[in-house]
Amino acid sequence: DGGITQSPKYLFRKEGQNVTLSCEQNLNHDAMYWYRQDPGQGLRLIYYSQIVNDFQKGDIAEGYSVSREKKESFPLTVTSAQKNPTAFYLCASSMSGTGDGMNTEAFFGQGTRLTVV
Amino acid sequence: KQEVTQIPAALSVPEGENLVLNCSFTDSAIYNLQWFRQDPGKGLTSLLLIQSSQREQTSGRLNASLDKSSGRSTLYIAASQPGDSATYLCALNFGNEKLTFGTGTRLTIIP
Repeated sequence: DGGITQSPKYLFRKEGQNVTLSCEQNLNHDAMYWYRQDPGQGLRLIYYSQIVNDFQKGDIAEGYSVSREKKESFPLTVTSAQKNPTAFYLCASSMSGTGDGMNTEAFFGQGTRLTVV
Repeated sequence: KQEVTQIPAALSVPEGENLVLNCSFTDSAIYNLQWFRQDPGKGLTSLLLIQSSQREQTSGRLNASLDKSSGRSTLYIAASQPGDSATYLCALNFGNEKLTFGTGTRLTIIP
């Protein structure tokens, strides 16, 4: 089945610890995205990548880092610099990140819930 | 600032009724608009995408419309079922390589 796989489903982080969230897609999409979802707020963009070996900061990139070494993978690291990391993290992909056609339709994974303990 | 509003935040309707969910936006220069559903604790499932040149899209019992001049999109659900209970999100593509989301409408279908 084609789709986006996020792991783990639940993740617990201690104070001062870095953690990495995995996102893998087998849709052969060029563009991948990381969003953060908090209660009562819309999804906010953390980072995005339009192509392998390239990525851009989104609206709330501080305290996060990413890499895009392979087309199918876009891991997100939540660093100790992120002061309020408890949230639901969603990874998405689309065939292309630009234009107005169907190729920008976004597909999402099932999310990772990160909690600081 | 490109703002997207979904009102009401929550809606309950009896099973079998037709219903309309609303999405309003302040910037009419959109590339396309996408409707999603989200079940509790889950990711987003794409329902429909409407391109800027289109007026509506249909998929089964769902029909989404787009009126750029009034800054409004609606998602019409016909013959609602308990399985339709979820949060519905609209997201707009303004051509800046990201989606701008509304905060969603939590829909409950009462059996």
